[in-house]
Amino acid sequence: LAKTTQPISMDSYEGQEVNITCSHNNIATNDYITWYQQFPSQGPRFIIQGYKTKVTNEVASLFIPADRKSSTLSLPRVSLSDTAVYYCLVGAWDTGNQFYFGTGTSLTVIP
Amino acid sequence: EAQVTQNPRYLITVTGKKLTVTCSQNMNHEYMSWYRQDPGLGLRQIYYSMNVEVTDKGDVPEGYKVSRKEKRNFPLILESPSPNQTSLYFCASSEDRGRPFDYGYTFGSGTRLTVV
Repeated sequence: LAKTTQPISMDSYEGQEVNITCSHNNIATNDYITWYQQFPSQGPRFIIQGYKTKVTNEVASLFIPADRKSSTLSLPRVSLSDTAVYYCLVGAWDTGNQFYFGTGTSLTVIP
Repeated sequence: EAQVTQNPRYLITVTGKKLTVTCSQNMNHEYMSWYRQDPGLGLRQIYYSMNVEVTDKGDVPEGYKVSRKEKRNFPLILESPSPNQTSLYFCASSEDRGRPFDYGYTFGSGTRLTVV
């Protein structure tokens, strides 16, 4: 079960791009990388998922280098409502579906 | 509306009194899972179920039981709760096609349990 390492916390000003990097040195061939967002007292919410290179959706981009030992979640032009905890997960969808959440990165967006 | 419903949202109980936290999903998902969340420890998986009558331990299963008699329901049972099980609990579900998809897990709103 691949574990992940993320910064504990980050601050950013409103309107800036935020990049949160996650290390996953033991990622396996079948593992995918998924990011979730969690607001206080709510369940986590899926943001984006990828296997390699770059994935983009309407809320974020995910950059994965060729060795896949790390990944970077990019949030364009953050607003105050993006203040939340962001979790990086690594796991395979075909082997027991066990994903390790870790402690996440607490992002605070400052006006 | 597609959702995962947990009940109750808040529960205070005494040590040793058996309790059940219910979880139900209306998306016909095969996979369901329970997590607990504690300050500084993130979310830790308790049990998961790949389908009806198929369950397996997660990272912190001690003191918990689960059952999956129907596809939509996955109750979490604490036979003899102790104060160290005071936590915020989340149920989650997803499809299980054996391949990735674009929307990951759907989580419930959480159950805050206090054992005194």
